[in-house]
Amino acid sequence: AQKITQTQPGMFVQEKEAVTLDCTYDTSDPSYGLFWYKQPSSGEMIFLIYQGSYDQQNATEGRYSLNFQKARKSANLVISASQLGDSAMYFCAMREYGTASKLTFGTGTRLQVTL
Amino acid sequence: DVKVTQSSRYLVKRTGEKVFLECVQDMDHENMFWYRQDPGLGLRLIYFSYDVKMKEKGDIPEGYSVSREKKERFSLILESASTNQTSMYLCASSLGTSSNQPQHFGDGTRLSIL
Repeated sequence: AQKITQTQPGMFVQEKEAVTLDCTYDTSDPSYGLFWYKQPSSGEMIFLIYQGSYDQQNATEGRYSLNFQKARKSANLVISASQLGDSAMYFCAMREYGTASKLTFGTGTRLQVTL
Repeated sequence: DVKVTQSSRYLVKRTGEKVFLECVQDMDHENMFWYRQDPGLGLRLIYFSYDVKMKEKGDIPEGYSVSREKKERFSLILESASTNQTSMYLCASSLGTSSNQPQHFGDGTRLSIL
């Protein structure tokens, strides 16, 4: 079974608008962490934001925020004020704490920011 | 800043060749990982290592082996390359067992097996 599900293969957003990229996960481990990465066309994976399962508040990093709904097992990435440079693949990933720091990745969402 | 360096951005090899992909990190990280990335499949873990000379299989280890003789270097080996191993290969490293430590990635190697 898929542990990380990203149901949006592609998304479009206009410059300066906000966009939400969906991520749902499946785990029976009470302790886990959720990560979002950005992959521009050049190929490097860039870490964006982290949310721990016991964190009381939603994580924020600049224009990135994570809408964490634990009961629904969702960890959606919100990008505010989109910029052309935000066009990239975005991957959601999960670490279950009994798994020696391994990450399980979703299949990604390709975001295209338009003028 | 963490620097993870992969030896080649692009590599073309022939079927049956033994292929070495090298990865070096400069931040004294305990953990190192090799992934392959294919369209529509995301990143899949091949092997990882949490210490020198230690290795563990990931989700798709068949056809691959690894070597970690020094803490900073983690090599991926394709013993006898096949066309279905044409892919993007990504190396990553992370610090210890702290739960919130992200993995830091290299720029990737696009490997073509002809």
